[in-house]
Amino acid sequence: AQKVTQAQTEISVVEKEDVTLDCVYETRDTTYYLFWYKQPPSGELVFLIRRNSFDEQNEISGRYSWNFQKSTSSFNFTITASQVVDSAVYFCALTQRSNDYKLSFGAGTTVTVRA
Amino acid sequence: GAVVSQHPSRVICKSGTSVKIECRSLDFQATTMFWYRQFPKQSLMLMATSNEGSKATYEQGVEKDKFLINHASLTLSTLTVTSAHPEDSSFYICSARDLSQSKAGAFNSYNEQFFGPGTRLTVL
Repeated sequence: AQKVTQAQTEISVVEKEDVTLDCVYETRDTTYYLFWYKQPPSGELVFLIRRNSFDEQNEISGRYSWNFQKSTSSFNFTITASQVVDSAVYFCALTQRSNDYKLSFGAGTTVTVRA
Repeated sequence: GAVVSQHPSRVICKSGTSVKIECRSLDFQATTMFWYRQFPKQSLMLMATSNEGSKATYEQGVEKDKFLINHASLTLSTLTVTSAHPEDSSFYICSARDLSQSKAGAFNSYNEQFFGPGTRLTVL
């Protein structure tokens, strides 16, 4: 079975503050892939990152960074110096071979950045 | 590359009517397409998986007679909501992936799911 937990339902910050979104996952597979997606008010899902289970290197892309820790089954996402355009729902997702690589999404975290 | 379109983007219908939603892969061949449903302030829930030329596989709790899925070509899958009722109002999202060149058991770019922009259905 696979499961993704995003415990934070909503986060509200003031512009330029940093915000970290938590993602904890469960899987029995040794090979799996983790994703983060952004869903702005328009509804269209925007792919942010994919990470496989064998690559625990942290990644930075502009103001976005990701911290993958297999020891705690977590794949957290940080937005540095948040901007109003970052306001959206963010989903963490997991896929694995034993489930034919179907995506399981977390409940999502709504981020509101106030000017 | 890897663009997926959905049509219509928004539809309003009367209770009891049927609505068809199209999902197209524009620049690749989609051997597999997925249909998701998302209620307001909730996550995406997988409804069914459709493979080109075969019957769709529905997730537990999804009525196959209610949500008819057809994947007749490598670039088009359709979802028909039959006899729609207000509780079917939701945001429907499709995704597509191309497995035709993937290695068995491996995850590569051909296993990636590419999402459509979604269709907002409102049943009055």
